[in-house]
Amino acid sequence: EVQLVESGGGLVQPGGSLRLSCAASGFTFSSYAMNWVRQAPGKGLEWVSLMSGTGGSTYYADSVKGRFTISRDNSKNTLYLQMNSLRVDDTAVYYCAKVSSGFSFNAFDIWGHGTVVTVSS
Amino acid sequence: DIQMTQSPSTLSASVGDRVTITCRASQSISSWLAWYQQKPGKAPKLLIYKASNLQSGVPSRFSGSGSGTEFTLSISSLQPDDFATYYCQQYYRYTGFGPGTKVDVK
Repeated sequence: EVQLVESGGGLVQPGGSLRLSCAASGFTFSSYAMNWVRQAPGKGLEWVSLMSGTGGSTYYADSVKGRFTISRDNSKNTLYLQMNSLRVDDTAVYYCAKVSSGFSFNAFDIWGHGTVVTVSS
Repeated sequence: DIQMTQSPSTLSASVGDRVTITCRASQSISSWLAWYQQKPGKAPKLLIYKASNLQSGVPSRFSGSGSGTEFTLSISSLQPDDFATYYCQQYYRYTGFGPGTKVDVK
């Protein structure tokens, strides 16, 4: 079964850091670009970051550029999101999502269940 | 940046109704558009990709059309399981989502 499972969310103070993980199974992880997408409480979906299958290309939304870093370990079938200098408006459910085909931007055919990040003092 | 808009923001409908949601892009995105369904507390689910292609396992009452800057998602006969929020996504240049359309009970 194709599956994505996020972990690492929690409560953090403004200015703090958090590292999210997304464990993948059921497909050839290294063959697909992977994404982080977030959803603030009661709001819509916001794409955060993409990393290509090989890890050679990364892209970020302007709202997180310079603060968040996406990475992956294809030997462990795991995607990461290092979040630094967190702000209250980073509070959201963070989903990892697999592109349907290819190494770059595409439709997202598999999503994890999400992990909740709360930034509050 | 490519801006995505959706209309209406909320749609009230009854079981059996035909429902149409519109998504517009601020510039041409060819057919690089997807549609998702999201229910409260759940992850989004891919319904349509490349504007009109039905994702495997999605009921045939869902259909997508359009190209360039205007796209539609149609549900031919609304079922109880279809009350949800629907999002469009462009993946022509980077990617981004529309603000969503909530389909609720009339």
